[in-house]
Amino acid sequence: AAGVIQSPRHLIKEKRETATLKCYPIPRHDTVYWYQQGPGQDPQFLISFYEKMQSDKGSIPDRFSAQQFSDYHSELNMSSLELGDSALYFCASSLGQGRTTNEKLFFGSGTQLSVL
Amino acid sequence: KQEVTQIPAALSVPEGENLVLNCSFTDSAIYNLQWFRQDPGKGLTSLLLIQSSQREQTSGRLNASLDKSSGRSTLYIAASQPGDSATYLCAVRHSTDKLIFGTGTRLQVFP
Repeated sequence: AAGVIQSPRHLIKEKRETATLKCYPIPRHDTVYWYQQGPGQDPQFLISFYEKMQSDKGSIPDRFSAQQFSDYHSELNMSSLELGDSALYFCASSLGQGRTTNEKLFFGSGTQLSVL
Repeated sequence: KQEVTQIPAALSVPEGENLVLNCSFTDSAIYNLQWFRQDPGKGLTSLLLIQSSQREQTSGRLNASLDKSSGRSTLYIAASQPGDSATYLCAVRHSTDKLIFGTGTRLQVFP
């Protein structure tokens, strides 16, 4: 079965550079979530989209932005990168919004971002 | 504000033992609770999802229970194996769409 696909798998950037992470949800899933997981920490919610509209916002820095496209894939854009942005970035997808459908979230393998 | 805590933070057991991982949450107004497994540097694998109206879910050697009124969930792993070694995370879906994760339990099962 198709899973959530994230690219790239690894990314190395320098401070003040920009990065774009991509997420391709499971086919027919219309909701995408982005999470950030620092070393030894639990995943922290950044932002989510439902039907191409932002549905919720968490601890996402102003330097970051994201969007969901017409084919439901999503991109997380990160500018003015800082050392503290080094983390594993997960994308997850689900069908519909959980409060109405009780659908599981399925996570991708993540993008490991290292800022030097 | 919803807070999710997992106890113990780390657990090391010999192969074959039955074990229980605990998850507690401060706000019982949840829609569902999901247990995940995470291998080092890897993604999150969904294990079980319990809806707020359910009391437990089973999958193979795994059994998860939910007591919403007391804000607790447990993950029971029967006959543990070295391949079960991983970090186990519980996450609750609260009043909004996002999942709020617990602090995780790092499990090591040795032969």
